[in-house]
Amino acid sequence: SQELEQSPQSLIVQEGKNLTINCTSSKTLYGLYWYKQKYGEGLIFLMMLQKGGEEKSHEKITAKLDEKKQQSSLHITASQPSHAGIYLCGAFTGGTSYGKLTFGQGTILTVHP
Amino acid sequence: DGGITQSPKYLFRKEGQNVTLSCEQNLNHDAMYWYRQDPGQGLRLIYYSQIVNDFQKGDIAEGYSVSREKKESFPLTVTSAQKNPTAFYLCASSRPGTFNEQFFGPGTRLTVL
Repeated sequence: SQELEQSPQSLIVQEGKNLTINCTSSKTLYGLYWYKQKYGEGLIFLMMLQKGGEEKSHEKITAKLDEKKQQSSLHITASQPSHAGIYLCGAFTGGTSYGKLTFGQGTILTVHP
Repeated sequence: DGGITQSPKYLFRKEGQNVTLSCEQNLNHDAMYWYRQDPGQGLRLIYYSQIVNDFQKGDIAEGYSVSREKKESFPLTVTSAQKNPTAFYLCASSRPGTFNEQFFGPGTRLTVL
């Protein structure tokens, strides 16, 4: 089965600092998803990457999928307290026509004002 | 407004009791999913359904049961056979096909007393 490892497990930064969260797989990633979660709430979709080398941006958040499609990174520029939460990567496991997603364990981000 | 609703938000259960968690969506999605989230862990798939009257076990189906009698509804029953049911439960739905975003509900926190 596909396993996703996120690093770091938690991150504390000062407002205005840049940060990066990584998601690594032992197998090829097909359809890598990034979600954000506030504690005790549902997941909010951020971005989805499919192609090796693909990069997408939304506001101050940029996600990349490496050429080998085994690692993805999420980069936040000039962090704000509103960026605080849990970031989860999820990957499509393939083999069926419906998206069964496997998730990493999440990265807890704290942003101090 | 389209979306996914889960009820109740908080649920308390005595040991030995079955309990049913509600999940309703008005997004006209064919596929629906149930995940469990524990502290420090990512989401783990319990059950998923690709179409009405059909569902498949996920990675941790033991002690759980589901039904899919209507397209809009996918209730999850946590039975007394589930040894450690205290967790945060998330329901999601998506359009059919691969690489489609999963939309998540707000979650239900179940506590066994």
